[in-house]
Amino acid sequence: QLVLTQSPSASASLGASVKLTCTLSSGHSSYAIAWHQQQPEKGPRYLMKLNSDGSHSKGDGIPDRFSGSSSGAERYLTISSLQSEDEADYYCQTWGTGTPNWVFGGGTKLTVL
Amino acid sequence: EVQLVESGGGLVQPGRSLRLSCAASGFTFDDYAMHWVRQAPGKGLEWVSGISWNSGSIGYADSVKGRFTISRDNAKNSLYLQMNSLRAEDTALYYCAKLNYWGQGTLVTVSS
Repeated sequence: QLVLTQSPSASASLGASVKLTCTLSSGHSSYAIAWHQQQPEKGPRYLMKLNSDGSHSKGDGIPDRFSGSSSGAERYLTISSLQSEDEADYYCQTWGTGTPNWVFGGGTKLTVL
Repeated sequence: EVQLVESGGGLVQPGRSLRLSCAASGFTFDDYAMHWVRQAPGKGLEWVSGISWNSGSIGYADSVKGRFTISRDNAKNSLYLQMNSLRAEDTALYYCAKLNYWGQGTLVTVSS
């Protein structure tokens, strides 16, 4: 079964960097994922699509501070030079097979200290 | 500018029906699969349903299968979600999405 696992919470200081992790379930380590950001009281915003080889394509207007990388079944989102507006929930999402369907991770709540 | 604008949400009693709409603009609508995603109060994102560009392939989450029907009208650049036999647990903000763009959501509240 295709499952994405994320830590429920993370924190880092203003101006520092943070690396969020999304883990694909066994047998699905070649899958691409997407990262989405949801700031408080706002709708989700697409950040990037991240492939298993670490290549990624960012959405319109996404700052260079956001980058992605991959290692095995792990997909990472790194945010550098943290700003207060980066405090948000971050969701990873992937594509199921067959009919059009998405699978979401449980989300990581990032607190900027 | 890409825009996805949902409408049709509201307060509805359990067992009743509601139809959501999503008006798309700023991109070639019939080039893309489209999806509905919901978010219950205080919870994470849950994929609800997806439809291919030509309506030839459709998927549903197990939680809504048999009750919800997704459709699209490419001539009108519109996506729809017909929701029948609504339950309290369907209460959520419903988003229309095409992966790299999301709407602002429409709130559905199921309560007597």
